[in-house]
Amino acid sequence: DQQVKQNSPSLSVQEGRISILNCDYTNSMFDYFLWYKKYPAEGPTFLISISSIKDKNEDGRFTVFLNKSAKHLSLHIVPSQPGDSAVYFCAATENSGGSNYKLTFGKGTLLTVNP
Amino acid sequence: GAGVSQSPSNKVTEKGKDVELRCDPISGHTALYWYRQSLGQGLEFLIYFQGNSAPDKSGLPSDRFSAERTGGSVSTLTIQRTQQEDSAVYLCASSSYRGSNNEQFFGPGTRLTVL
Repeated sequence: DQQVKQNSPSLSVQEGRISILNCDYTNSMFDYFLWYKKYPAEGPTFLISISSIKDKNEDGRFTVFLNKSAKHLSLHIVPSQPGDSAVYFCAATENSGGSNYKLTFGKGTLLTVNP
Repeated sequence: GAGVSQSPSNKVTEKGKDVELRCDPISGHTALYWYRQSLGQGLEFLIYFQGNSAPDKSGLPSDRFSAERTGGSVSTLTIQRTQQEDSAVYLCASSSYRGSNNEQFFGPGTRLTVL
C-alpha cells in the first residue's frame, strides 16, 4: 500500500513558468514532509521541508504548501529553469513519533523544463 | 567537504551469488540509512543505524539481507543468494542528528543487476 503518492510520473513546463508538483498521503500520523530532487546517476538531495504545524514554507524559488485536511502537499517552483529538470520525490515521516528517521517516499515525478 | 560515497557504483552478478555493497557516510554523522529503489518505484527504507543503538532492521525484505556498521562509520549491506528481484539501485544516506529537520544526505547509489 502506497502511503505517499505522486500520481504524475512526469511534468513538462516552459522555462520561466510555474512548475507545480503534487503529492498525496494516506497516513494521518505523518507530520513532517520533505521534497528531494534527484539528477541521473546522483543520490537525492534535500530541497525543502514543512512541518504539519505550518501550511506553507518558502525558500527562494521553491514553496511547499500543505493541506492537512486533504492530506495533500504541493511544491511550486517559480520561475522554472532548465536546471530544475530532475526527478522530484515527496517524502513523509512521523516526526513526533519514535521512528522519525524513517522516511516514506513517493515514486517521484520527472520534471522537464524546456528552454 | 566529502559527501556520502558508495562502492561499487555498478554491480552485475549472477543469480545465487552473494554481494556486498559499501557505504562511507559523511564524517561525524551518527545516523546511517540504507534504501533501495526498484525500477519505477520510490525509495524503500531498508535499515537504520544510530550511534551504538541497535539498528532498525524492519525494512529488510528477507533474511538474505543483512547490514553492518563497523566502528560507527562505514557500513556494508550484504545480500546472500541474490535473486533477480533484488535488482535495484541501493542508496545509502547519513545524517548528523535525528532532529526535526531530518535532512538525510544521500550517496550516488550502487546499481545492482542480478542476471
